[in-house]
Amino acid sequence: GAGVSQSPSNKVTEKGKDVELRCDPISGHTALYWYRQSLGQGLEFLIYFQGNSAPDKSGLPSDRFSAERTGGSVSTLTIQRTQQEDSAVYLCASSFGGSSRRETQYFGPGTRLLVL
Amino acid sequence: QQQVKQSPQSLIVQKGGISIINCAYENTAFDYFPWYQQFPGKGPALLIAIRPDVSEKKEGRFTISFNKSAKQFSLHIMDSQPGDSATYFCAASITPGTASKLTFGTGTRLQVTL
Repeated sequence: GAGVSQSPSNKVTEKGKDVELRCDPISGHTALYWYRQSLGQGLEFLIYFQGNSAPDKSGLPSDRFSAERTGGSVSTLTIQRTQQEDSAVYLCASSFGGSSRRETQYFGPGTRLLVL
Repeated sequence: QQQVKQSPQSLIVQKGGISIINCAYENTAFDYFPWYQQFPGKGPALLIAIRPDVSEKKEGRFTISFNKSAKQFSLHIMDSQPGDSATYFCAASITPGTASKLTFGTGTRLQVTL
């Protein structure tokens, strides 16, 4: 079946511009996560959505970062007034969520963001 | 504050050898420890995972060893193959029965030579 998809695959932008990154999770997955992977670094948690619960935004690095999930499916991560330090690979993952303890997170291929 | 420390940063192993990657965690509330494998240009993919109620889990050539008292866990790749060359990440999470964020180590780049 279809996995997690992300778009665009690559994005080059100028410092100060806003960018939107999109994630389509696996159908039926109620949990959706965003992570950031900087060059040579591990994955850093940003935010996650679980069903209709309030999202866990504890990993967002600044108020320039925001995310929404519409209709419990597609999610958009928005970075306003981008800075060069925002350059990274932004990864989206989804999982079944709920109380099934089927917690395996399936990752998309990522969006490579370069801020000039 | 890095809650999951991973070593080594890079590793070169000959074909047929054993690759060993180690992780240590600080938060004793963690109760789920997956390992992810990532190839260049791809997203990470779950390789194997363990819960602290067992000390070892084996799936094919991949084994996780878990030491709860030392707060350490490791990945062993037996009979390493060139196709295993990738970056490996350990991770940890607290699973209250719903979704939970993963805390990742910084990754180990494994190269298996012929």
